[in-house]
Amino acid sequence: AQTVTQSQPEMSVQEAETVTLSCTYDTSESNYYLFWYKQPPSRQMILVIRQEAYKQQNATENRFSVNFQKAAKSFSLKISDSQLGDTAMYFCAFMTPLGGGGTSYGKLTFGQGTILTVHP
Amino acid sequence: ETGVTQSPTHLIKTRGQQVTLRCSSQSGHNTVSWYQQALGQGPQFIFQYYREEENGRGNFPPRFSGLQFPNYSSELNVNALELDDSALYLCASSLYGHRNTGELFFGEGSRLTVL
Repeated sequence: AQTVTQSQPEMSVQEAETVTLSCTYDTSESNYYLFWYKQPPSRQMILVIRQEAYKQQNATENRFSVNFQKAAKSFSLKISDSQLGDTAMYFCAFMTPLGGGGTSYGKLTFGQGTILTVHP
Repeated sequence: ETGVTQSPTHLIKTRGQQVTLRCSSQSGHNTVSWYQQALGQGPQFIFQYYREEENGRGNFPPRFSGLQFPNYSSELNVNALELDDSALYLCASSLYGHRNTGELFFGEGSRLTVL
């Protein structure tokens, strides 16, 4: 079974500080994508950062970076210089191929989520 | 560029009824996926449609069915509603094939309450 585990139900951080959200996953697939999605109270899920499993270099998007440890199946998200707008539910997820051929992606497996609150 | 839109945003049904939820894909996207998100949980994959056919399915019973239309819009139908079907239903669009970067673009969801 493919699973994603986020062990921190809730986290809080002061504005301008750094916070790290943890994620581990389990899959037998060799090709997959890893994601962190953000879901603010308005509900729309927004992509934060994306990592291709075959790439060793950790992805970075402005204040957001990941620590991808493939052997350990770990994919943590670091948010630097936290802002009030970062307050949201954060989901770790991975995407595997659908069906034969490996060209069809679209099945995201999500973790349970981490509620992040940024305090002024 | 038009984003993913879903309707209705909220609806209330009673157990045993049927419901249809609608989704318009982001402009240029040819694949649509549906997810069920129970309160306080991560979304669960229901199914994906490409070229008007189901392209993959999660662990949901047959009373969850879908359609994709030539303009890539989609419907999710749920028959014989149960209390546990109460959830936020998310639609996501993407590109199929070699141009697929893996990223899904989500709508704001339809909140279904079953009484």
